[in-house]
Amino acid sequence: AQSVTQPDARVTVSEGASLQLRCKYSYFGTPYLFWYVQYPRQGLQLLLKYYPGDPVVQGVNGFEAEFSKSNSSFHLRKASVHWSDWAVYFCAVSPGTGGYKVVFGSGTRLLVSP
Amino acid sequence: EAGVTQSPRYAVLQEGQAVSFWCDPISGHDTLYWYQQPRDQGPQLLVYFRDEAVIDNSQLPSDRFSAVRPKGTNSTLKIQSAKQGDTATYLCASSFGGGRDEQYFGPGTRLTVL
Repeated sequence: AQSVTQPDARVTVSEGASLQLRCKYSYFGTPYLFWYVQYPRQGLQLLLKYYPGDPVVQGVNGFEAEFSKSNSSFHLRKASVHWSDWAVYFCAVSPGTGGYKVVFGSGTRLLVSP
Repeated sequence: EAGVTQSPRYAVLQEGQAVSFWCDPISGHDTLYWYQQPRDQGPQLLVYFRDEAVIDNSQLPSDRFSAVRPKGTNSTLKIQSAKQGDTATYLCASSFGGGRDEQYFGPGTRLTVL
């Protein structure tokens, strides 16, 4: 069965600084991977998704993520953080065989300081 | 296009009371998911459907929780006798094509059991 680990429960970044949120997955084979964001008092929204192919995936609002099979990772990056990026970020994994079950990580809360 | 809608948005119960949550997915989406999200944690899958069929309900506490999707569209999640440990936000999501594709989340129902 697949699983996801987000080792950082909370990350604080200064506005304008770069960002990396870590995600490690466990799955035998090549999975489908997702990053979702949950803004305060809102539902989860998709930031980006990885399907087998180019390991670097571009998402909305300047976010990108890089898939590494050797490291079993799918880290999220942004070159310059904005105050509006203050939210909780979830990494998720789905079987590459096209199954339906999606497993979410515990989330990383991003705090943006002025 | 209308998004995923859920009702009620909030519920407060005493232990032992019953409650039902309702979800209307995006039209045409064949897969519907119910998640439980405790405070400061990631969504945890309870049950999911493809059309009207239950695909996996192994994480559903079957003695008190039940879920149906009789016509393959709307769905109801019911808790028969709520416990304080059920306090969480209950999220509904839908997708077309299963776990490979983006899930669209509703705003959730925040349940408090006193």
